[in-house]
Amino acid sequence: KNEVEQSPQNLTAQEGEFITINCSYSVGISALHWLQQHPGGGIVSLFMLSSGKKKHGRLIATINIQEKHSSLHITASHPRDSAVYICAVRNTGNQFYFGTGTSLTVIP
Amino acid sequence: GAGVSQSPSNKVTEKGKDVELRCDPISGHTALYWYRQSLGQGLEFLIYFQGNSAPDKSGLPSDRFSAERTGGSVSTLTIQRTQQEDSAVYLCASSLAVVGYEQYFGPGTRLTVT
Repeated sequence: KNEVEQSPQNLTAQEGEFITINCSYSVGISALHWLQQHPGGGIVSLFMLSSGKKKHGRLIATINIQEKHSSLHITASHPRDSAVYICAVRNTGNQFYFGTGTSLTVIP
Repeated sequence: GAGVSQSPSNKVTEKGKDVELRCDPISGHTALYWYRQSLGQGLEFLIYFQGNSAPDKSGLPSDRFSAERTGGSVSTLTIQRTQQEDSAVYLCASSLAVVGYEQYFGPGTRLTVT
């Protein structure tokens, strides 16, 4: 059993659509991270959150600690948003666990 | 300033040889992490360093793997007697501290064991 589960695994959307990627975890955490990995490219940290909600431009991340669930939303999606989005959690012992990623393709 | 850098960017080695992978974190970042991403697999935590504290080695897959961090800055990940299953992209990241700060990732070293 994976400590971090993401859904969906793959997602195709039309440009402009609102996108949601979900992450559920089973361990007690001190923080949750959302990462973005472009094909052949490096990894960029999008959000780090331990409660509530954060917003950067068209990206919104929420977390519900009681339900052990987080969502990443992309508003007005664009082809440049095409990437793999990875959910990662840091447990209270500072070990990290990663989801297997959601591969997003946004079609013009 | 400069981001996290890693060298080499690519390394091809023969099975059984030892390899060293290098990570230069962002200046002033006290926390440094090593991760592995095998082909088609997710990220896997290997080890992290926080300041001068003893590193958390809980993620190292075997005793062939070791890492050190000299002077609280540059880190080297060493894999002894490499095996084909060690082939992966090895990623380094740094942050101001382990708790409460975002991580900045390096470009990775692609290791291929033939």
